[in-house]
Parts: sequence; C-alpha cells; structure tokens
Amino acid sequence: EPEVTQTPSHQVTQMGQEVILRCVPISNHLYFYWYRQILGQKVEFLVSFYNNEISEKSEIFDDQFSVERPDGSNFTLKIRSTKLEDSAMYFCASSLLGAGGSEQYFGPGTRLTVT
Amino acid sequence: AQSVTQLDSHVSVSEGTPVLLRCNYSSSYSPSLFWYVQHPNKGLQLLLKYTSAATLVKGINGFEAEFKKSETSFHLTKPSAHMSDAAEYFCVVSDLASGTYKYIFGTGTRLKVLA
Repeated sequence: EPEVTQTPSHQVTQMGQEVILRCVPISNHLYFYWYRQILGQKVEFLVSFYNNEISEKSEIFDDQFSVERPDGSNFTLKIRSTKLEDSAMYFCASSLLGAGGSEQYFGPGTRLTVT
Repeated sequence: AQSVTQLDSHVSVSEGTPVLLRCNYSSSYSPSLFWYVQHPNKGLQLLLKYTSAATLVKGINGFEAEFKKSETSFHLTKPSAHMSDAAEYFCVVSDLASGTYKYIFGTGTRLKVLA
C-alpha cells in the first residue's frame, strides 16, 4: 500500500540554525500539507500546497517557514532560523483531492528538537 | 470557525469490553469528520470518515462512528476492545462547503486497554 514517508525521523539542531524536513507524498496525490504537534498539545495545521504554490497557511507559518516541491517526488519544509519553540513533531500529509472531505494520508513524522 | 472537542483525554477499558471515545464538533457548514489513530512512533492512520452520506460510518478494525447533527457529535465506538487498540485517537473536522483544505484536530484521547 502506498504511504507517505518522512526523513529524518529525528532532527536535533541548535537555535538559529536552518533545518529542512523532507517528505515524499503518495505519488499520484496533488495536495500536500504540513502539520505540527508540540509535545502535549494538539496537532496544528501549518500549510497546504497545490500546483506549486501555497493554497492556505496558518498564523504559525510566518516568514521563517517555507515549503517547496523541488522535484516530482519530494515536498520540503524549511525553517530558516529555528527557535526553541519550534521543537515539535512535524507531520507531512498528502491527498488526491483538495476539498474538505478528501482524506489526507499522513507520514510518521519528524521529531525536531531545538537546543 | 470550525472546532473539535474531545471530551476525554484518557479512557481505560478492559479487553473485550466496549469502547466509546467522544467527540463534539462546531462547524458553520456541512462538515466532513474523521477519526485517526496514532500508535506509538507511527503516523496517523485513518479509521473512518463521514462526508454527508450515511450517518453511521463503519471503519477499519471494527470501529464505527455515528454522525448526530442535532447533538453535533461524532463519537467513536467499538463493541469489543482488543489489546492492539491501545493508541491515541484524534477526531478531525474539515469543512466541505467552505473548501477549507486543512484539518482541525481535537486534542486526542489516549485509549488504554487492560488485560
């Protein structure tokens, strides 16, 4: 069964450093998402991406964040200058359709620890 | 704005007894509702979804949920718990009519199954 994959599973970085989290969505999916879950808190939407542009983003997704689909398979989330509060589990998801009722398939997550 | 409330952060049941995980939603339009499960160190897996068809939805692993508009609820049930059901469960809402691309997650319910 096709699945969303994410690398690395765990990333440790120092405050102020740039990190890139990588995701490989399901191959025929057209919509891509990033969510995060700070320890002990709920999963929060960050951004959705379709047709090589951001379709929606949350207040969390400020200028420090960017997303890219550099080739036909990868979908990346970059944090330019990490802060302690960026420590969280980051989930990538993809869906075939973009409407609200379309189910999203999630990857296993990348745990980001900022020290 | 849409929102989801999961009424119990932890639920414990004995193996072989029924499971009830409660979820209430708030949505301006006709919502799509989902239940996802997260096993330790795994991604989020879709259990079932409601998208304005039958109000009683059957999912994987014997789970089902009933959409009750009058009560704005979408509770998850299973007749008989199995040890492998121990995990965290998330209720999710997405607005179909508004075309919102993002999921809104509940805070999660951790299910413990006692032998």
